[in-house]
Amino acid sequence: DTEVTQTPKHLVMGMTNKKSLKCEQHMGHRAMYWYKQKAKKPPELMFVYSYEKLSINESVPSRFSPECPNSSLLNLHLHALQPEDSALYLCASSPTGVGEETQYFGPGTRLLVL
Amino acid sequence: SQKIEQNSEALNIQEGKTATLTCNYTNYSPAYLQWYRQDPGRGPVFLLLIRENEKEKRKERLKVTFDTTLKQSLFHITASQPADSATYLCALDEAGGFKTIFGAGTRLFVKA
Repeated sequence: DTEVTQTPKHLVMGMTNKKSLKCEQHMGHRAMYWYKQKAKKPPELMFVYSYEKLSINESVPSRFSPECPNSSLLNLHLHALQPEDSALYLCASSPTGVGEETQYFGPGTRLLVL
Repeated sequence: SQKIEQNSEALNIQEGKTATLTCNYTNYSPAYLQWYRQDPGRGPVFLLLIRENEKEKRKERLKVTFDTTLKQSLFHITASQPADSATYLCALDEAGGFKTIFGAGTRLFVKA
């Protein structure tokens, strides 16, 4: 299984809502990533988990809260978002997160904040 | 600051021709460079990785070159097909491989 799955595919939320994005992989990878991508822009790294520990936080606002419950799952908890947070949120995984590795991406969650 | 540049203009070519996409970078000394394909509303899909000591790498109709002196990679698709229409992203790693930086991508349209 070389697939990274993400749910939901689409999400519309108000600025006062709390929601969560979910990501799952069963490739035995120990590094998982969250990226944010705006239209016609490159994916921008938000968080990296390595062996279930947060290793990189790219100065992301606290309204985004990542969680890695186990080596297969990655969540992104959303609270009090702003309209400018509307984007495609991509999850990815790689074997260890170190060195010459390819990342496997999920299909993304299209988020719209009203 | 570190920067990756890809042609922001879309590339339109006729089916059967060779598409050539460019990736230039500054202020990096990457040990390797990767190319990904991204379709609209989907996540990137890995295509090829080329190391700094490799001049060229091929995979089926794809070819990548890597010139560390020019700080440039070229990505070629030979005998292009309409199904090759997508955005192609180049990516470099920094911080010892902990962090991947993507270029903005070049949109390729292949006309039948």
